[in-house]
Amino acid sequence: AQSVAQPEDQVNVAEGNPLTVKCTYSVSGNPYLFWYVQYPNRGLQFLLKYITGDNLVKGSYGFEAEFNKSQTSFHLKKPSALVSDSALYFCAVLRGGATNKLIFGTGTLLAVQP
Amino acid sequence: SQTIHQWPATLVQPVGSPLSLECTVEGTSNPNLYWYRQAAGRGLQLLFYSVGIGQISSEVPQNLSASRPQDRQFILSSKKLLLSDSGFYLCAWNYDSGNTIYFGEGSWLTVV
Repeated sequence: AQSVAQPEDQVNVAEGNPLTVKCTYSVSGNPYLFWYVQYPNRGLQFLLKYITGDNLVKGSYGFEAEFNKSQTSFHLKKPSALVSDSALYFCAVLRGGATNKLIFGTGTLLAVQP
Repeated sequence: SQTIHQWPATLVQPVGSPLSLECTVEGTSNPNLYWYRQAAGRGLQLLFYSVGIGQISSEVPQNLSASRPQDRQFILSSKKLLLSDSGFYLCAWNYDSGNTIYFGEGSWLTVV
């Protein structure tokens, strides 16, 4: 069965420092991987996705993610964190089939201190 | 461009009362439509999905039902709410041939 794991409930980082939010996956076949961000009391916003091709994927708001097949990871990164990046981040894997159903990780709360 | 709307944004309902949450997508046709529930501010659970008018699949047995009376309209309902139905409900959509799923702004349901 396909699944994703986000091992950290919370990540704390100082503004201006690089940030990493971790995600590992377990899928059969080629993975379709996604990152979403959720601000308080809001819906999920799509950040980026990996389907195929270049292992480094660039997305919205300066975020990027690196697909690592040997480590089955898809960590989210940003070179310089902003206080406004503080939010809940979800990694997800596509379950496949005609309906493209997403399976989500448990989420990681990113707190950026000024 | 495509947009997704869901309403109401917040709802407080007594136990045993009915529920209707609505979702519409604009700017596309024949989308896949989804209802997710987010409990305790974290975990996202797929409740229902639909690939076309009148076609509904349920992921988990529960006190809720869904309907798709029109191509771009998806409704989440209950005849009698339970306390455990409280949560943040998210409607979402994607193209049949695509894969990125886009979410609405969510509806907060509190059952009292």
